[in-house]
Formats: sequence, structure tokens, C-alpha cells
Amino acid sequence: GAVVSQHPSRVICKSGTSVKIECRSLDFQATTMFWYRQFPKQSLMLMATSNEGSKATYEQGVEKDKFLINHASLTLSTLTVTSAHPEDSSFYICSAEQGRQEKLFFGSGTQLSVL
Amino acid sequence: RKEVEQDPGPFNVPEGATVAFNCTYSNSASQSFFWYRQDCRKEPKLLMSVYSSGNEDGRFTAQLNRASQYISLLIRDSKLSDSATYLCVVNGEGNEKLTFGTGTRLTIIP
Repeated sequence: GAVVSQHPSRVICKSGTSVKIECRSLDFQATTMFWYRQFPKQSLMLMATSNEGSKATYEQGVEKDKFLINHASLTLSTLTVTSAHPEDSSFYICSAEQGRQEKLFFGSGTQLSVL
Repeated sequence: RKEVEQDPGPFNVPEGATVAFNCTYSNSASQSFFWYRQDCRKEPKLLMSVYSSGNEDGRFTAQLNRASQYISLLIRDSKLSDSATYLCVVNGEGNEKLTFGTGTRLTIIP
């Protein structure tokens, strides 16, 4: 099956630093990728939809200047958490769409801890 | 009202028992429905899609009731490996965005 690689799997950083998370589709081209955030004991919440070659579409309440998304190629999308603060500590997961909506593959997630 | 609602559980069920989860959704125009399984701090994995006619995959049966706007998942002969959080997922008409329920935590007890 299709594979989505997400890196890094875990980040511990100081408050104020920026963190970049990469999401790669390894064996297929993904014109659309999605970024989610999941706080403990809560559901996945869609943050933004990333479309190759165009600006990302952010969900209401998600600061686009804080969560920078770049989808420069059909196999790579990046999420940068700028000036991270402790409240940004969360589990971030990407997913990539292959063909129809049902073919959605997830990365393994990134646990971000901001001290 | 939340777009997708699930009983968070936890459900503690003895091995071999049958367990059922329900999920309700608010958007009557929703077109696609799924059940995902998520192990602790792991990515969600698609368990099965849910079709209008209902569908079965081994020990798992999913059903959709459009009139009442709910989806169900039935697990028969539960195994220890079924312990996980089960997420109900819905997307709306003309909308590629998937909306996840909060998940139902299931623990199978030996």
C-alpha cells in the first residue's frame, strides 16, 4: 500500500523556536495533503489543506502566520510551527490523498513538546 | 452540536464478546463515511468504509442510517488486539475535508 513518511517523530524544543515537520508521499503523487493536530484524549482536528503549487487553506481558528505550510512538490508538504509556545505542544499528523477521497494515507505523526 | 459525535467510552469488554459503537453526524448532505482505528499516539488507520447498504469485513460490520444520521460499527468475537480507539469519520457534500469524531476507546479484557 501507499506510504506516507512523516519526520521527525518527536521534537522537544524551547519556547520561541521554530519547528519544521515534513510529510512525504513515498510511492505516489499527492496533490492534496492535510495537516491535523490532536491534543490528548481529543479527536484529530484538521488544521489546513495543502495543495501543491498553491497556498494552503486554513481552518477557522488556525493562525496561518504561525503554522506555515509549504507544498512545493507533489510528494512533499512541510508544516513549520513558528515561535512555538507550550500551548502548541500536541501530536501533529499529516495525511496525503491518493486519487479519490477514500484513499487517504496518514503519516506516523510528530509529537511536539515545547518547554 | 458537534459535527460528528461519538460516545467516548471507555468500553471494557471481555474477550470474545460482541461490541457495538454508534456515531451521529449533523450534516445531512454528508456523502462518505468511514471507521478508522487509532492505537495510542499512532496515526489513524482506515478500518472500513461505510456504505448505504451496510458492509461486512470479517468480524466487523458497518451500517449507515441516513434518515437518522448515524453510523454503527459492530465487532464480533472481539480479540485482545481489537483494543484501540475507533474514530467515526465523515465528509460533506462537495467537501474534501474529513471530520473526525472524538473516538471511542475500546479495551478488550482477557
